[in-house]
Amino acid sequence: GENVEQHPSTLSVQEGDSAVIKCTYSDSASNYFPWYKQELGKGPQLIIDIRSNVGEKKDQRIAVTLNKTAKHFSLHITETQPEDSAVYFCAASKGSNYQLIWGAGTKLIIKP
Amino acid sequence: SAVISQKPSRDICQRGTSLTIQCQVDSQVTMMFWYRQQPGQSLTLIATANQGSEATYESGFVIDKFPISRPNLTFSTLTVSNMSPEDSSIYLCSVDGTPGGNEQFFGPGTRLTVL
Repeated sequence: GENVEQHPSTLSVQEGDSAVIKCTYSDSASNYFPWYKQELGKGPQLIIDIRSNVGEKKDQRIAVTLNKTAKHFSLHITETQPEDSAVYFCAASKGSNYQLIWGAGTKLIIKP
Repeated sequence: SAVISQKPSRDICQRGTSLTIQCQVDSQVTMMFWYRQQPGQSLTLIATANQGSEATYESGFVIDKFPISRPNLTFSTLTVSNMSPEDSSIYLCSVDGTPGGNEQFFGPGTRLTVL
């Protein structure tokens, strides 16, 4: 079955710098790749997603890139701010009738 | 996106008892999902609940332990039965964003501690 690996487990960056979190997946049939942000004491929040027919997607300071050949996708956060501190999860799915397979999560720490 | 609420937000329970968690959505949704998230861990899908049919459970989860109801398109409950300390977790419900779509939106979670 599908397996999603996420790295790093913890990432500490200086405020204003960029942060990159990477995920790899094993099933080439996966075609949907969301990223979630989970703040302490809250449920995961969908922040951006990408489908397999697109290589990159941006939303203000957040971008996601997808390399289908290498089967990996990445979350890029530019100009990081203290409110970006959270745990970020990637996931992969083969479509609406299939469950999301989750990465282990990355704790992002923004240092002032 | 849908607004999802869960009750209770947290609870402390004695072993051997049961707790029912409610999930309410402000719009009709096709699919509702129940997840467990142990402290510091990722999310594990317990079951998928579609209105009008029996819930579909993932490997390692059984109906006797986690009975689910889905009486209508805006509401579902998950019961954690005969609890033990190992059931201490965050329980999350989520819903599909659009029929046939892939997006899932999550409630705030229920933090359960079993003593």
